[in-house]
Amino acid sequence: GAGVSQSPSNKVTEKGKDVELRCDPISGHTALYWYRQSLGQGLEFLIYFQGNSAPDKSGLPSDRFSAERTGGSVSTLTIQRTQQEDSAVYLCASSLGPNEKLFFGSGTQLSVL
Amino acid sequence: GDSVTQMEGPVTLSEEAFLTINCTYTATGYPSLFWYVQYPGEGLQLLLKATKADDKGSNKGFEATYRKETTSFHLEKGSVQVSDSAVYFCALSDQGAGSYQLTFGKGTKLSVIP
Repeated sequence: GAGVSQSPSNKVTEKGKDVELRCDPISGHTALYWYRQSLGQGLEFLIYFQGNSAPDKSGLPSDRFSAERTGGSVSTLTIQRTQQEDSAVYLCASSLGPNEKLFFGSGTQLSVL
Repeated sequence: GDSVTQMEGPVTLSEEAFLTINCTYTATGYPSLFWYVQYPGEGLQLLLKATKADDKGSNKGFEATYRKETTSFHLEKGSVQVSDSAVYFCALSDQGAGSYQLTFGKGTKLSVIP
């Protein structure tokens, strides 16, 4: 596609439910990143993929968070047993390779009630 | 660990005013430095970057110079326009720390009024 696509754009869920967020990177981009943007907190790194492997997952805040990437393309970020503090905008970005220019998606606004 | 500190907003300026948004950093290695911009309703996009000391990144009338001695990368524009209203993020990438992640500042919201 023309850009990084994320779905859904908005997700409202109840505390304790699981959610899945999807990212379709730009075709041919081998590097993929997930970030979280909370109000007043800037962008927080979650995980980095190179191809299908994740050499840096140091930013995942707890074991309720996991992510996978298949076929060197689509990535899914899963949050289990959501908590209110998980409410944020989850951003995906891709690049041709590590240390190349990042292209960001528009994000998924997650609200946990 | 690595960190980026940028001036807190919001910043409100009149059209054609001079803009400075301060950014300082701490890093383990020799980082690359970036400014990203997020226009209302849009995703983040790279505005400019610099990869070594004394490099000047520039784009759309914005400039920032990589100052290693002061660990700074301040964003400047001589004459802002209403269309520059956005949130600006300073960021660094420190491969010397063994990671390709970007570390971002908290963002500075700029509003330009006619």
